[in-house]
Amino acid sequence: EDQVTQSPEALRLQEGESSSLNCSYTVSGLRGLFWYRQDPGKGPEFLFTLYSAGEEKEKERLKATLTKKESFLHITAPKPEDSATYLCASGVNYGQNFVFGPGTRLSVLP
Amino acid sequence: DSGVTQTPKHLITATGQRVTLRCSPRSGDLSVYWYQQSLDQGLQFLIQYYNGEERAKGNILERFSAQQFPDLHSELNLSSLELGDSALYFCASSVGGQGNSPLHFGNGTRLTVT
Repeated sequence: EDQVTQSPEALRLQEGESSSLNCSYTVSGLRGLFWYRQDPGKGPEFLFTLYSAGEEKEKERLKATLTKKESFLHITAPKPEDSATYLCASGVNYGQNFVFGPGTRLSVLP
Repeated sequence: DSGVTQTPKHLITATGQRVTLRCSPRSGDLSVYWYQQSLDQGLQFLIQYYNGEERAKGNILERFSAQQFPDLHSELNLSSLELGDSALYFCASSVGGQGNSPLHFGNGTRLTVT
């Protein structure tokens, strides 16, 4: 069964304290691994797509990496405005096309 | 701005009623997906359309239906509403329908059933 899990469920960081979020996936035939940021009451905002193991993408304080079984979202020197829920999703070429994880709720304290 | 437009933003209605949620996808995107997100819950896939045709169904209740029109906008119809249907409903669009291009989400319709 296709599955995406994320850890930790929630993470509290002090401003400037770097950390990583994990996304583990078990799907048949990964077409892409996607990261999103969701603010309360808003739609998920697309951040990155990763297509193959070893690939990395960066945007400001965020860097996403991909292996054959998991993806990491590294947050360097986070700021309070980085507080949000971060979702990852596996893209597949069947069924619902996207299998979403439950998200990691990140809080960055000033 | 994702380019995906959802209307209305908020909807308050009574149990037993019927509502229609509307979605305009990003220009050029052929696929539309509908998701339900209850309070503090994950995204639940409801249904997908590609270029006017239904492609995949998820945990969509029989009381719910959707369609995609020739201009590619989509509507989600919810009928015989129950209290438990209160949630955020998101529409997302994608260029293709094969899981290899990202979804772009609208900001949702918040449905409250009283």
